[in-house]
Amino acid sequence: AQSVAQPEDQVKVAEGNPLTVKCTYSVSGNPYLFWYVQYPNRGLQFLLKYITGDNLVKGSYGFEAEFNKSQTSFHLKKPSALVSDSALYFCAVRRTGRRALTFGSGTRLQVQP
Amino acid sequence: EAGVTQSPTHLIKTRGQQATLRCSPISGHTSVYWYQQALGLGLQFLLWYDEGEERNRGNFPPRFSGRQFPNYSSELNVNALELEDSALYLCASSLEPDQPQHFGDGTRLSIL
Repeated sequence: AQSVAQPEDQVKVAEGNPLTVKCTYSVSGNPYLFWYVQYPNRGLQFLLKYITGDNLVKGSYGFEAEFNKSQTSFHLKKPSALVSDSALYFCAVRRTGRRALTFGSGTRLQVQP
Repeated sequence: EAGVTQSPTHLIKTRGQQATLRCSPISGHTSVYWYQQALGLGLQFLLWYDEGEERNRGNFPPRFSGRQFPNYSSELNVNALELEDSALYLCASSLEPDQPQHFGDGTRLSIL
């Protein structure tokens, strides 16, 4: 079985400050990890993925994520938040050989001007 | 490059009816995935189609079914609609196993 936990329903940061959205996972074997963002009345937009290689993954719109195998975490980060980053963020995992993504419950990011 | 397109945007049905949702993948993508995003239940995997075959399904009853056509577009059919089927249904496509799934904007299904 595979699972994802996003422990924070909501994260609030001030514009210009760094942001972190937390994600921990559980999966047998090597994980494939993803971050997606969802704006109101829209589908999911891919931000970044980790499959193998460097633990620090860089993605779209200045986002990055750090894979930590010992802590089974894949936290999303951005050095300087923008008001336009306000949205719902989902972490997802799948295991090798499977295609179905298992999503976390989502974290609503609110960036305050 | 056009993204994943889904139709209709909204669909209103009553209990017991059938619903058909449609999805066109990104050009060249052969795999299509369906997910349900329901309030309180989050995002759940429904079905995966590849090369016209159903490859995997999530923990949903058989009244959720679908198919993939030779042009790789896909339909999701939901029979005997129940109130709890009200949700946003998202379709995604991918080219290769290691590539991310790209999502459409979904069909919002409302059951009255």
